[in-house]
Amino acid sequence: KQEVTQIPAALSVPEGENLVLNCSFTDSAIYNLQWFRQDPGKGLTSLLLIQSSQREQTSGRLNASLDKSSGRSTLYIAASQPGDSATYLCAVSGNTPLVFGKGTRLSVIA
Amino acid sequence: DTGVSQDPRHKITKRGQNVTFRCDPISEHNRLYWYRQTLGQGPEFLTYFQNEAQLEKSRLLSDRFSAERPKGSFSTLEIQRTEQGDSAMYLCASSLGAISSGELFFGEGSRLTVL
Repeated sequence: KQEVTQIPAALSVPEGENLVLNCSFTDSAIYNLQWFRQDPGKGLTSLLLIQSSQREQTSGRLNASLDKSSGRSTLYIAASQPGDSATYLCAVSGNTPLVFGKGTRLSVIA
Repeated sequence: DTGVSQDPRHKITKRGQNVTFRCDPISEHNRLYWYRQTLGQGPEFLTYFQNEAQLEKSRLLSDRFSAERPKGSFSTLEIQRTEQGDSAMYLCASSLGAISSGELFFGEGSRLTVL
């Protein structure tokens, strides 16, 4: 059974800092990995999708990497802003639909 | 294209009542998913459809839950005889193409409170 773990559970940083969120998964037989953002009481917004054959994807200030063999992914956020405050969720897709971690709650302090 | 739409956004009901949620996926998306999310947890998979066929159901989906996707368009999720433990956010997502490659797009969710 696939299990996804996200570390840390919560993170507070000053504005402008670069930061890394971590995601690990137990079964490396995945098709893809997706990072989402969730604001309080809202749905999920897709940030980046990495196919299993890819090593990384970039969108603006976000960069996600994937090391399938070791079961790890990182989400790098450059020059953080207060508007980046949200919960970030990692999810992997394999023989079953997306399995999610519990998320990292990020607070960027102005 | 307005994205994935869910209705109602909020529902408060008394224990024992039936509730139904509706999801309208992004047009032409062939796959539709239902997830449940409780406070502080990641979304948990409930069920998914490819066109009108329900292909997989989680063990979380007890006999009181039923989902349909008539004609492969919108979907409904019905919960019968609601219990307080059913209180959660119910999320719908859709994707295009194969399960191995499709990016999932989520709606804003339907929050259920059972009193």
